[in-house]
Amino acid sequence: RKEVEQDPGPFNVPEGATVAFNCTYSNSASQSFFWYRQDCRKEPKLLMSVYSSGNEDGRFTAQLNRASQYISLLIRDSKLSDSATYLCVVWASGTYKYIFGTGTRLKVLA
Amino acid sequence: DAMVIQNPRYQVTQFGKPVTLSCSQTLNHNVMYWYQQKSSQAPKLLFHYYDKDFNNEADTPDNFQSRRPNTSFCFLDIRSPGLGDAAMYLCATSRDQSQGSSDEQFFGPGTRLTVL
Repeated sequence: RKEVEQDPGPFNVPEGATVAFNCTYSNSASQSFFWYRQDCRKEPKLLMSVYSSGNEDGRFTAQLNRASQYISLLIRDSKLSDSATYLCVVWASGTYKYIFGTGTRLKVLA
Repeated sequence: DAMVIQNPRYQVTQFGKPVTLSCSQTLNHNVMYWYQQKSSQAPKLLFHYYDKDFNNEADTPDNFQSRRPNTSFCFLDIRSPGLGDAAMYLCATSRDQSQGSSDEQFFGPGTRLTVL
């Protein structure tokens, strides 16, 4: 079983749609969680950190469920510019390593 | 303002010809990482430094070496590049994580390596 698992997609959605991605992690000692966005042939860029209480940034909402060991990302009112790969990243103390999921590709269609 | 800088952005080398990729940071972060990323795959950690302490991943080939002469700079040396080493190489940094939680990583723009 991979340490961090994501549905690779692609998710093809029309503009204005709401889309949700899930990510599961296997290490119960994981402590910090992130969603990164990566455009084609570019570096990953932080979209948002994920906090236990859940957090929202504009059209983006992230949630953490420690009991079930998953995190989610909800994108409302999708824009064409949201088309990218979304990487789920998990960090566990003591390792200094960030574990990446394989990413979920999103294509927002006009 | 660039915080993690990688040079060169594009590198073409010949099969077996050594190549060095460089990374510098202005964030004064303790931890620096090198990742290899191939098309449609997640970044794969090659190694990381916590200050001067070098941590190699078990599956990183011996062909890949690294140096960190000071806090700001880190180098990736590929001693004998093969066709399979063609990829994007990403450098990243993060702050001291000894408090038990972590801030995010900051990535450089990457060096795209082509092996002929």
